[in-house]
Amino acid sequence: GEDVEQSLFLSVREGDSSVINCTYTDSSSTYLYWYKQEPGAGLQLLTYIFSNMDMKQDQRLTVLLNKKDKHLSLRIADTQTGDSAIYFCAEAAGGSNYKLTFGKGTLLTVNP
Amino acid sequence: DVKVTQSSRYLVKRTGEKVFLECVQDMDHENMFWYRQDPGLGLRLIYFSYDVKMKEKGDIPEGYSVSREKKERFSLILESASTNQTSMYLCASSLGGGAGTGELFFGEGSRLTVL
Repeated sequence: GEDVEQSLFLSVREGDSSVINCTYTDSSSTYLYWYKQEPGAGLQLLTYIFSNMDMKQDQRLTVLLNKKDKHLSLRIADTQTGDSAIYFCAEAAGGSNYKLTFGKGTLLTVNP
Repeated sequence: DVKVTQSSRYLVKRTGEKVFLECVQDMDHENMFWYRQDPGLGLRLIYFSYDVKMKEKGDIPEGYSVSREKKERFSLILESASTNQTSMYLCASSLGGGAGTGELFFGEGSRLTVL
C-alpha cells in the first residue's frame, strides 16, 4: 500500500530557512501536497505540485520533487515564529486525486 | 468563504455510549472524509463518501460507521464508544469526479474523550 514518511521534528532559528523532507512510495501519484496545521485547528493546504513538475515556488515556499527517488521537500525561506506548526506531506493515492495518504507530520518549532 | 463545519469542538463521553459527530460543508463537494489524528500516528482515514448514500471504508473503519443522507452532511457514528477511540476527529471535503487538484478542505476538528 501507499506510505508517506517524514521526520517528526524540526527546530530552526527565526530568519533561517527550514527544509522539511518527505518520501512516498506510490509512483502513480498525480499530485503531492503540503498541508499546515496550526495549534487547535484543522489542516490547510499550503501548496501542491503536479507530478510532472520538479519545482514550484510560491513566495517564501519552494517545493522540490524528485520523482526518481520519490522525494518531496518544502523549503520555507526567512522562517518566522508564525510558521511554527505541524506540516503534513500527502500524496494522491493510486493516481486518483481524491484519496490522499498523509505522512505523520513534522512539528516545526521556530525559536526567536 | 468556503467552510467545513464540525458540530462539536470538544466532547466527553462514557464507555459504551453512542456518539454522533456531524460535519457540514457549504461548497457543494461530492467527496467527504473522516480522519482521526493521534500523536505520532498522523492522520488515518476512517471512512469516505464520494456521493450521497455512498460510503467506502478507509484504513481504520472498525468500530465506526457513517451516514450521508444529504450531499452537504457526513456523520461519523461510534456505536459503542471505547477508550481507544479518544482522539481528534477531522472531517474534510473535496470536489468529485476527478476534478481539480484533489485539495481537501478541513474542519476545525472534534476532540473526543471517552472515559
